[in-house]
Amino acid sequence: AQSVTQPDIHITVSEGASLELRCNYSYGATPYLFWYVQSPGQGLQLLLKYFSGDTLVQGIKGFEAEFKRSQSSFNLRKPSVHWSDAAEYFCAVGSYGQNFVFGPGTRLSVLP
Amino acid sequence: DAGVIQSPRHEVTEMGQEVTLRCKPISGHNSLFWYRQTMMRGLELLIYFNNNVPIDDSGMPEDRFSAKMPNASFSTLKIQPSEPRDSAVYFCASSLAGGLETQYFGPGTRLLVL
Repeated sequence: AQSVTQPDIHITVSEGASLELRCNYSYGATPYLFWYVQSPGQGLQLLLKYFSGDTLVQGIKGFEAEFKRSQSSFNLRKPSVHWSDAAEYFCAVGSYGQNFVFGPGTRLSVLP
Repeated sequence: DAGVIQSPRHEVTEMGQEVTLRCKPISGHNSLFWYRQTMMRGLELLIYFNNNVPIDDSGMPEDRFSAKMPNASFSTLKIQPSEPRDSAVYFCASSLAGGLETQYFGPGTRLLVL
């Protein structure tokens, strides 16, 4: 069965520091990979997605993610974090004919 | 576009009562999703519709839950009878076509069953 893991439940970084959020998946088919962000009290918003092609994907708000098939990973990165990036981040995986699955989420706190 | 609209935003009810959550998807979107979010279980897909037809309801927890989409602009999620363990935030999302397209989420309905 397909699954998504986000090993870090909570991460704290200082404003201006770099960020990497981890995502690993287990999927039988060719995966379609997503990162969504949820600000407090709000619904989720798509940051970026990977379907095929260049394995380094650029998203909104200065985020990027790299697909590494050999490691079954799709880690999210940002070179310099802003206080407004504090939120919950969800990795998600889907494929044609398969259920769409969200990971458990990683909560990001940003120190001033 | 107003985005995905959900109502009510908050609902407090007593155990045993019927609860109806409503969703208006983005106009032109053909797929609609209902999710439940709790601290313990995270974000769970309950059901999704494609062109108003339920495609996958395997996530619906039990017979107390039912969902309908009578037309392209409206969907309901009903819980009858409600139980305290149903307390959660329920999200509706829509997309152009299926889960592999960008899903646009509504603000959610926060449900508390006493």
